[in-house]
Amino acid sequence: DGGITQSPKYLFRKEGQNVTLSCEQNLNHDAMYWYRQDPGQGLRLIYYSQIVNDFQKGDIAEGYSVSREKKESFPLTVTSAQKNPTAFYLCASSSRTGLGYTFGSGTRLTVV
Amino acid sequence: ILNVEQSPQSLHVQEGDSTNFTCSFPSSNFYALHWYRWETAKSPEALFVMTLNGDEKKKGRISATLNTKEGYSYLYIKGSQPEDSATYLCAFQGNSGYSTLTFGKGTMLLVSP
Repeated sequence: DGGITQSPKYLFRKEGQNVTLSCEQNLNHDAMYWYRQDPGQGLRLIYYSQIVNDFQKGDIAEGYSVSREKKESFPLTVTSAQKNPTAFYLCASSSRTGLGYTFGSGTRLTVV
Repeated sequence: ILNVEQSPQSLHVQEGDSTNFTCSFPSSNFYALHWYRWETAKSPEALFVMTLNGDEKKKGRISATLNTKEGYSYLYIKGSQPEDSATYLCAFQGNSGYSTLTFGKGTMLLVSP
């Protein structure tokens, strides 16, 4: 079955450490996205990529980095520069038109 | 940053009740309006994508309408069932040429038996 796999489901890290969240899709989608959810807030766009080897900042990119070396993979690194990294992170993919996203099941990151 | 508003924030109904939610979005530079259903511990699931003013979509007991000129969409659930309990998200897609979505905060629906 085609879909998006995010791992791990739960992640704990110490303050000051970088951490990388994995997102893999086998839907042959060109575009991939990272969103963040905080309590009482809507999903906010961190980074997106519409094609391999290219990506753009979303609304809240500060303290995050991404890469898109393969069509299937779009890992997100939460760096120590991110002031409030504890959140739920959701990865998605779509065709280039964006008409209909497929979402992963999310990673809950807790920084202590 | 674009503003997408959903109301109500949460709703608690009895099984069999019909209900509706509202999504308001910018009326300019419109490309598409998306509705997603997000059950606890699962991935958001696409319900509808609407692109034309006056669009009406239906999937079982759930339907949606779109008014791009005034910037709103309604989602209706007829005869709510406990399995309809979820958060319903709407998302605006502008015509910038990019495929990104701006999401509302969602409406959390709880249907009691």
